[in-house]
Amino acid sequence: EVQLLESGGALVPPGGSLRLSCAASGFTFSIYSMTWVRQAPGKGLEWVSTIANGGGSTYFADSVKGRFTISRDNSKNTLYLQMNSLTAEDTAIYYCVKAKYASSSGIFDSWGQGTLVTVSS
Amino acid sequence: EIVLTQSPATLSLSPGERATLSCWASQSVSSNLAWYQHKPGQVPRLLIYDASNRAAGIPARFSGSGSGTDFTLTISSLEPEDFAVYYCQQRSKWPLTFGGGTKVEIK
Repeated sequence: EVQLLESGGALVPPGGSLRLSCAASGFTFSIYSMTWVRQAPGKGLEWVSTIANGGGSTYFADSVKGRFTISRDNSKNTLYLQMNSLTAEDTAIYYCVKAKYASSSGIFDSWGQGTLVTVSS
Repeated sequence: EIVLTQSPATLSLSPGERATLSCWASQSVSSNLAWYQHKPGQVPRLLIYDASNRAAGIPARFSGSGSGTDFTLTISSLEPEDFAVYYCQQRSKWPLTFGGGTKVEIK
């Protein structure tokens, strides 16, 4: 059974930094692209970032480009999201998401429970 | 960026009724469109991928159609557990984008 367990969410002041982690199990982590999707309070789903299976390709939403970094450690089956220069608009539940197919990204078939990031002074 | 517009924003229906949800793309996404269901307090669930393929374990009352810029999610007969928010999402071009969602509520 696929399991995705996010951690690292916290209350952080504007301008601060935070690193989210996602521990994966139940599948061959190293062959799937992985993604972060967020949902701000009262808002819809927003794609944040995707990393290819080997980590060589990364993609970001314009809203986080230059501030967020996505990475992975395939030896630890763990996905990361480093978030810098946080603003109130980054307040959201952050979901770790697995691609459906090893051969492509963009179909999200397994979701973690999410971790809450609150940016406030 | 490909903008996905969902309509209506809210759909008020009774159990047993048919639900028809629309998603329009600002440019062609071919068949690279998925639908997700999201209930309060739960994680989103993949319903349909590549416009018309049901994901594993999804009941047959859910169906997807369309290609290019116009897509439809149909729930043939609403069950009580189907009242939720539904999102479309494209994977044709980066950045990946979601629609704003359609809330299906009990009338």
